[in-house]
Amino acid sequence: KQEVTQIPAALSVPEGENLVLNCSFTDSAIYNLQWFRQDPGKGLTSLLLIQSSQREQTSGRLNASLDKSSGRSTLYIAASQPGDSATYLCAVIGTAGNKLTFGGGTRVLVKP
Amino acid sequence: GAGVSQSPSNKVTEKGKDVELRCDPISGHTALYWYRQSLGQGLEFLIYFQGNSAPDKSGLPSDRFSAERTGGSVSTLTIQRTQQEDSAVYLCASSPEGGPPLHFGNGTRLTVT
Repeated sequence: KQEVTQIPAALSVPEGENLVLNCSFTDSAIYNLQWFRQDPGKGLTSLLLIQSSQREQTSGRLNASLDKSSGRSTLYIAASQPGDSATYLCAVIGTAGNKLTFGGGTRVLVKP
Repeated sequence: GAGVSQSPSNKVTEKGKDVELRCDPISGHTALYWYRQSLGQGLEFLIYFQGNSAPDKSGLPSDRFSAERTGGSVSTLTIQRTQQEDSAVYLCASSPEGGPPLHFGNGTRLTVT
């Protein structure tokens, strides 16, 4: 059974610092990995999708890497802003099906 | 265009009552998912619909939970004889052909008193 873990569970940084969020998964047979952002009381917003054949994806200040063999992904947010404060979730889809398995999320607070 | 729409946004019900939660996916999306997010817990998969195929119900926690999708569009999640442990945010997502990227609604916050 796939298990996805995100460490740390919470993170607080001053504005301008770079953020590094970690995601690990136990079964490397994944189809792809997706990073989401969730604001309080809201649904999930997709940030980046990495196919299993890719090693990284970039969108603006966001960069996500994938090391499938070691079961790890890292979301890197450059020059953090207070508006980046949210919970960040990673999720993987295994090659056997279409269900996303989510990590518990990392709650980020960027202080002005 | 319009995103995934869920209603109601909040629902408070008494223990033992039945509730229905509604999801309107993005037009043209053939895949629809229901997830549950409990306080302090991760997202838990409930059920998955893809086109006219039989739904994947493997995540439904008990036989009190059921879901249907009419006409390949709107979906209703029904919880019978609600219990306090059913209190959670129920999230619906859709995707064009199944699999990521998924587009999520804002969820229905269910509170069972």
